[in-house]
Amino acid sequence: DAGITQSPRHKVTETGTPVTLRCHQTENHRYMYWYRQDPGHGLRLIHYSYGVKDTDKGEVSDGYSVSRSKTEDFLLTLESATSSQTSVYFCAISEAMAGYGYTFGSGTRLTVV
Amino acid sequence: SQKIEQNSEALNIQEGKTATLTCNYTNYSPAYLQWYRQDPGRGPVFLLLIRENEKEKRKERLKVTFDTTLKQSLFHITASQPADSATYLCALDPASGSARQLTFGSGTQLTVLP
Repeated sequence: DAGITQSPRHKVTETGTPVTLRCHQTENHRYMYWYRQDPGHGLRLIHYSYGVKDTDKGEVSDGYSVSRSKTEDFLLTLESATSSQTSVYFCAISEAMAGYGYTFGSGTRLTVV
Repeated sequence: SQKIEQNSEALNIQEGKTATLTCNYTNYSPAYLQWYRQDPGRGPVFLLLIRENEKEKRKERLKVTFDTTLKQSLFHITASQPADSATYLCALDPASGSARQLTFGSGTQLTVLP
């Protein structure tokens, strides 16, 4: 996906370990988002950022934290991974003005065993 | 609480026909409604956006309608092709607040049969 990359693409981790997922953009967009996608639930917002060091919680933020020290990078951390956090995680970016669609990354498939 | 429903989890149609997908919402007043396409193993891709004061929007073989009275959007693909097979997501956009946050439906999986 042009302008936005997620790493890693796949990860298997053990319950109780911390995990950090990275989102990197080259579009200089102000807004960045982390979503998780699960069967039957669609995309649910975890956290979002509206600028460097400016972040806020989304619908399903428990057990997750984020950081944004640079415009281009938005990190999602699972403080102590649980099996319920097994999911596909998507990062997205958007323009500051209304009327623009989001650009999504290719996703990270995380499995917590 | 806010709720978004897409008409069915799966829709099968014959090639060449028009596919119609439905997005209904409650307890919400979006300024915009967006439609995305998602292929297996990929992130959603933005297709179209329609504003609350627009009744209809077209882009090539795609047409979207938005009825704020019925709280419903219809997404049409005319002259459908097997390559149109994918999951289609609708998303509500309040276009306000400190950050724009889209709320997504769970999607409709469309299969176009040759």
